[in-house]
Amino acid sequence: QVQLQESGPGLVKPSQTLSLTCTVSGGSISSGDYYWSWIRQPPGKGLEWIGYIYYSGSTYYNPSLKSRVTISVDTSKNQFSLKLSSVTAADTAVYYCARVPVPIVVSPFDYWGQGTLVTVSS
Amino acid sequence: QSALTQPRSVSGSPGQSVTISCTGTSSDVGGYNYVSWYQQHPGKAPKLMIYDVSKRPSGVPDRFSGSKSGNTASLTISGLQAEDEADYYCCSYAGSYTVWVFGGGTKLTVL
Repeated sequence: QVQLQESGPGLVKPSQTLSLTCTVSGGSISSGDYYWSWIRQPPGKGLEWIGYIYYSGSTYYNPSLKSRVTISVDTSKNQFSLKLSSVTAADTAVYYCARVPVPIVVSPFDYWGQGTLVTVSS
Repeated sequence: QSALTQPRSVSGSPGQSVTISCTGTSSDVGGYNYVSWYQQHPGKAPKLMIYDVSKRPSGVPDRFSGSKSGNTASLTISGLQAEDEADYYCCSYAGSYTVWVFGGGTKLTVL
């Protein structure tokens, strides 16, 4: 069974770049059968989709975050990563990685990581 | 403010049924049959419970069902059990520009 695990710093200073990695086990990112996504949840608030990437490197981002988001993939390590630049306190959230089967539009997020809390504070 | 509106909390006694609503617009819930529901226990990863409005993934009990009318989707849990106590989130496809929107989540308490 596939498992996803987020990792990265739990504390980031304002104006800096948040960097997280999702390691996938139990399946290959390169299979081409899935897209790989990031989702976040600010404390006490709902979920917000951030963006997705395909193993080929093709990406699409939430328009509201597009100017600050970069998602990349490392198929050799079976990982994909998130970078969010110029962070503020509003970016404090639990960040989740998740898998979406192809075809992406009609498919749900079928597996999620447990999430990692990132706090933006000086 | 989340794009989709869910009640903050619902409750029910064991054996009863509860329904959680998820209200959007014609640009998301009302425009597509791609609504999904996720269950999240504290400290755990969200789990897919319903997709395509009313389909259940393998392994999800048939006590969980989904439906949609207009711009509102619903998740119904019948025969409530203690382990159903969790947070529930809805999600809808919202077109090729926005792609996905979520609800704010509903806390289900089993009395």
